[in-house]
Amino acid sequence: DSGVTQTPKHLITATGQRVTLRCSPRSGDLSVYWYQQSLDQGLQFLIQYYNGEERAKGNILERFSAQQFPDLHSELNLSSLELGDSALYFCASSVDVGVNSPLHFGNGTRLTVT
Amino acid sequence: GENVEQHPSTLSVQEGDSAVIKCTYSDSASNYFPWYKQELGKRPQLIIDIRSNVGEKKDQRIAVTLNKTAKHFSLHITETQPEDSAVYFCAASRPNEKLTFGTGTRLTIIP
Repeated sequence: DSGVTQTPKHLITATGQRVTLRCSPRSGDLSVYWYQQSLDQGLQFLIQYYNGEERAKGNILERFSAQQFPDLHSELNLSSLELGDSALYFCASSVDVGVNSPLHFGNGTRLTVT
Repeated sequence: GENVEQHPSTLSVQEGDSAVIKCTYSDSASNYFPWYKQELGKRPQLIIDIRSNVGEKKDQRIAVTLNKTAKHFSLHITETQPEDSAVYFCAASRPNEKLTFGTGTRLTIIP
């Protein structure tokens, strides 16, 4: 168990809908990252937060948004969903940013858009 | 920004043989190089990492080597076992920046 908690584990929804994925980082970790992994693909970096503030942005679509709350949990919001958004979404956390802290991944949320 | 290339994309080896996965990075300022293993349907897990002040690191059957001059690093798995079958990702980061991942290598161990 990595200590990173993601909910829900599975999500099935229709095109055009909006969903929210939730992540609780490991105790003591201040940095949260979101990754998208489509079938048999690599880890696509979406966005990173550190202590409540956006730190880095990857190839995140405008339909997607995220935030990190004062208690350090994070939410990834996906709207106007398309079939191509079906993927495994991972959250990861680390102690700090920039001190080569290992990333610890959650078990992911599998999103299926029908 | 940093760019990490990983080869090969797929690798099949006989059980008991060794496997080598190679990565190159573009930014000479990168100083941290972890390797992650992802079993089918599961989360990526850190298996070994190396920092730029070290040339080689071993942990039982797994070793990582780093050549800073050539800007490449490699994962070596000896005496491979069926449970080594997975996708392996290399990554690199500069100080104070996030990790950049390679595209992954699917390793299959043939019994």
